[in-house]
Amino acid sequence: NAGVTQTPKFRVLKTGQSMTLLCAQDMNHEYMYWYRQDPGMGLRLIHYSVGEGTTAKGEVPDGYNVSRLKKQNFLLGLESAAPSQTSVYFCASSSLKQGAGYEQYFGPGTRLTVT
Amino acid sequence: RKEVEQDPGPFNVPEGATVAFNCTYSNSASQSFFWYRQDCRKEPKLLMSVYSSGNEDGRFTAQLNRASQYISLLIRDSKLSDSATYLCVVKWGGYQKVTFGTGTKLQVIP
Repeated sequence: NAGVTQTPKFRVLKTGQSMTLLCAQDMNHEYMYWYRQDPGMGLRLIHYSVGEGTTAKGEVPDGYNVSRLKKQNFLLGLESAAPSQTSVYFCASSSLKQGAGYEQYFGPGTRLTVT
Repeated sequence: RKEVEQDPGPFNVPEGATVAFNCTYSNSASQSFFWYRQDCRKEPKLLMSVYSSGNEDGRFTAQLNRASQYISLLIRDSKLSDSATYLCVVKWGGYQKVTFGTGTKLQVIP
């Protein structure tokens, strides 16, 4: 099992450009999440999904959109990138199965710089 | 006040030492507690859950004090490989209702 994978690993954007970050998991997890991690801020939830076709806003959703067309994939879009979106983005997934506990499995992260 | 607070460190300790980290939380409705480990430029990974009665996993001991709203992590016989940032995580509702602390950095010195 690959677990949770993210593409790309690094990206540099100019202000106003758009991009999509792809997250894929092969553990058949129901829940998927997108976080951003900034120095001194901890991980903050951007959007999450409780299943295929459903998404919801997290703590810091402005400037981002998401889609979950397939259970194993969760896409994060930036329509018009801003320097404030320079961050490390982590995707995570977790299972709803009884007894699975609450562990979130994280992808390796995407380092995004917006100039 | 932050919902979850940790001393950022760094804690610089010699190999073999015992080190303890605390984490305080402000939401009294918090239900579940965890410690995650994050290596430099890597993703967080679950280290251990924290149970009300306290729990141990090898050299690691986690404790919860609901009255004072803090959790702790004790690492005995520190190894060089323990060098990482330790994130305190508090769950206060559904699966998405989780708050991560900013982490405590540990550096174990030879």
